[in-house]
Amino acid sequence: GAVVSQHPSWVICKSGTSVKIECRSLDFQATTMFWYRQFPKQSLMLMATSNEGSKATYEQGVEKDKFLINHASLTLSTLTVTSAHPEDSSFYICSARDPSGRVPKNIQYFGAGTRLSVL
Amino acid sequence: QQPVQSPQAVILREGEDAVINCSSSKALYSVHWYRQKHGEAPIFLMILLKGGEQKGHDKISASFNEKKQQSSLYLTASQLSYSGTYFCGTEIGYNFNKFYFGSGTKLNVKP
Repeated sequence: GAVVSQHPSWVICKSGTSVKIECRSLDFQATTMFWYRQFPKQSLMLMATSNEGSKATYEQGVEKDKFLINHASLTLSTLTVTSAHPEDSSFYICSARDPSGRVPKNIQYFGAGTRLSVL
Repeated sequence: QQPVQSPQAVILREGEDAVINCSSSKALYSVHWYRQKHGEAPIFLMILLKGGEQKGHDKISASFNEKKQQSSLYLTASQLSYSGTYFCGTEIGYNFNKFYFGSGTKLNVKP
């Protein structure tokens, strides 16, 4: 199946700093990528839909200026958590769809996730 | 927006069966099922694209009732490896540009 790489797998940072998370589709071009956040023992909550070459679409309640999403190419989307605070500590996961038609194009392929801890 | 799953948690002995339900207040165009182990990304299990569709592999199968806006995942003769949290997922929005996960069902299979 298709492969999505997410980096880093974990990061620890000080309060007030910014953290960038990368999501790459390795063997397909992803026009759309999704960013999720998951708190312990909870479901994955959609934060935003990232579209190549255009602005991301954010879910209600997600701060655009705090969670900057850039989808500059068909294989890379980045999520930057700006001025991170302890309440931003969470598990962040990206996913992408393969629109090529090799497999049902609705299927989501997930990165391994990034565990962010803000001290 | 988020589909609701039931039950929230299930404890089984190896070899027992389980059913996980997923219901949506909005029309479902497709239903995805995933399993997530602690600290890992979700793993794709299967997708159902049409109402009335049933699908399965090994001893895990699912059905999709489009009219009732719900889907069920069936786990038969459960194995220890089935333990994890199961999520259904669905696409909505123009051009299916949003994907929402269900509330999750934690399954614990014991020896």
